[in-house]
This record gives sequence, C-alpha cells and structure tokens, in this order.
Amino acid sequence: NAGVTQTPKFRVLKTGQSMTLLCAQDMNHEYMYWYRQDPGMGLRLIHYSVGEGTTAKGEVPDGYNVSRLKKQNFLLGLESAAPSQTSVYFCASSYARTYEQYFGPGTRLTVT
Amino acid sequence: GENVEQHPSTLSVQEGDSAVIKCTYSDSASNYFPWYKQELGKRPQLIIDIRSNVGEKKDQRIAVTLNKTAKHFSLHITETQPEDSAVYFCAASRGGADGLTFGKGTHLIIQP
Repeated sequence: NAGVTQTPKFRVLKTGQSMTLLCAQDMNHEYMYWYRQDPGMGLRLIHYSVGEGTTAKGEVPDGYNVSRLKKQNFLLGLESAAPSQTSVYFCASSYARTYEQYFGPGTRLTVT
Repeated sequence: GENVEQHPSTLSVQEGDSAVIKCTYSDSASNYFPWYKQELGKRPQLIIDIRSNVGEKKDQRIAVTLNKTAKHFSLHITETQPEDSAVYFCAASRGGADGLTFGKGTHLIIQP
C-alpha cells in the first residue's frame, strides 16, 4: 500500500496563476482533508470531504476550491494564486469509524 | 471554533531525561486528542492519541494524560533519545469527520 500520496511535491507559481494539487489514498478511507502549514504555525484545515461528491469548508477555505469525484482522490484547486498562499500543503485521510488521520508527504508551494 | 494552545514552543532536555509538553483546548465538545511528531521536511506522524473516556494512555516511553475538567492534555516522553528530536504537535477534534485543530508545535531538542 502506498498510503496517502500527493502530486506534485514542489511547485512555483506566479501571482494569478492557477493549479490543482492531487491527493490519492489506497486505504479505502471515507474521510479526506486538506491542511496548510506555515512557519511557526500548526496545520490549519482548509477543506474536507466525508465521501465521494461531498465537500465542506474548514478553518481557512478562502481562495481554495476542492472536489472529490472519486473516493480515493481529493483535489485542491487554487484559481488565482496569491503570495499569501505560499505554504506546505498536506492531505490526510481517515476511516469513518476511527479518528486517526494519516498524512501525505506534502506539497511545497511558492507563489511569487 | 476550537482553539488549542501549546507550551513550550521550544524544549531542550538532556538525553535520558524526561520531556513534558502541555496543551489546552477551548471546545468542551472535543473528545479526541492526538499527538503528532514531525521531522524536518517530513509529514506529521501520529505517535499517540487519547479519547475523552480515558484519562491516561501509555505506549512504551510515551504517555498522554487528559484532564477534561481543566481542558488540558499533556505528552510525556521518558528516557529521551537523540531520535526524539523533532517538532511535536498536539491537536483536538470532536471526532468523526471533524478536522483536527492543531497547536503551534513544540521543538524538542535532545542534548547529548
């Protein structure tokens, strides 16, 4: 099992550009999450999904959109990137009946 | 929403001594409290967790205690080793599909 994987690992964007981050999990987890981590901060929840076709906002959702068309994939989109979105993005997933969240390796995004 | 405070931000201990990291939370409905270890450039990894129906949980050199009345929980690491050096994050959640609210992290340094 690969667990939770993220694509890409690194990306540099110019202000105003768009991109999509892909998260994939092969553990048949129902719940999936996107967090961002900034220096000196803990992780903060952006959006999450409780199942295929459903998404919900987290603590810091502005400037991001998400989609979960397949149970194993959770996409995070930036329509018009801003320097404030420079961060490390982590995806996580968990079973519905347990609370443990398993994290992907992260995507380091720089917006210039 | 939930607010998690974590102290200290940096903790330096001699190898072989014990380390204690403390967290407080604000939402009395939170009932799941995990601890994550994050090494530089790596993903957060779950090291231990506790649910609100338990006051203490131990796994070899690591233990977590929870005081629901006071809304605080602590991580205890005994017989510290060089490989324990990392950033440790506490988190709180209502469980189920709810995302985690993280503290800002503690940089644990083990001095040889």
